Amino acid sequence: QQQVKQSPQSLIVQKGGISIINCAYENTAFDYFPWYQQFPGKGPALLIAIRPDVSEKKEGRFTISFNKSAKQFSLHIMDSQPGDSATYFCAARVTGGGNKLTFGTGTQLKVEL
Amino acid sequence: EAQVTQNPRYLITVTGKKLTVTCSQNMNHEYMSWYRQDPGLGLRQIYYSMNVEVTDKGDVPEGYKVSRKEKRNFPLILESPSPNQTSLYFCASSLDRGRQPQHFGDGTRLSIL
Repeated sequence: QQQVKQSPQSLIVQKGGISIINCAYENTAFDYFPWYQQFPGKGPALLIAIRPDVSEKKEGRFTISFNKSAKQFSLHIMDSQPGDSATYFCAARVTGGGNKLTFGTGTQLKVEL
Repeated sequence: EAQVTQNPRYLITVTGKKLTVTCSQNMNHEYMSWYRQDPGLGLRQIYYSMNVEVTDKGDVPEGYKVSRKEKRNFPLILESPSPNQTSLYFCASSLDRGRQPQHFGDGTRLSIL
């Protein structure tokens, strides 16, 4: 079963617009929530991450919003640029044990001129 | 340059012919992991290793083997590949038993005919 559900599967945004990708999780033991960005032919690269003790984290044009009670978190890309066109994965991890990352299914973002 | 290197990047082979995908990292990381990426499923962990001679199963270990004889190398072995192992494979590494962000290689695309 998919422990981290991600939506939408694909997204088209105009240049300068806001891209929003949502994720929901079931396991309340998750304590670290990263977002990864993947370009074609490359491996995923860490973009931004948040821990559940804060509700928002911002790094440049990228913001994670976190709602612990709803078990949801989202990535907002402000002023989206064509160079942001990539596949985005949310993930979650339980610290300890295998420190395994559980990934969402990915969102293919295209930013059009 | 800090990196995770996978070889080969592409491989087409036939059912039952043993193959090995190599993974090497130059960052002295303790933790290494293998994932497979399939459309609509995101990335799923196959095996991970906390340190030399310490390996454990991830979510989808069936049909795969790994070894960790040296800190820098973590090969993925398919003893008798089958078509359902056709996928995009990623190796990742991180410091601190996986608690730090994972660095991914650029992937190996395997096609099993």
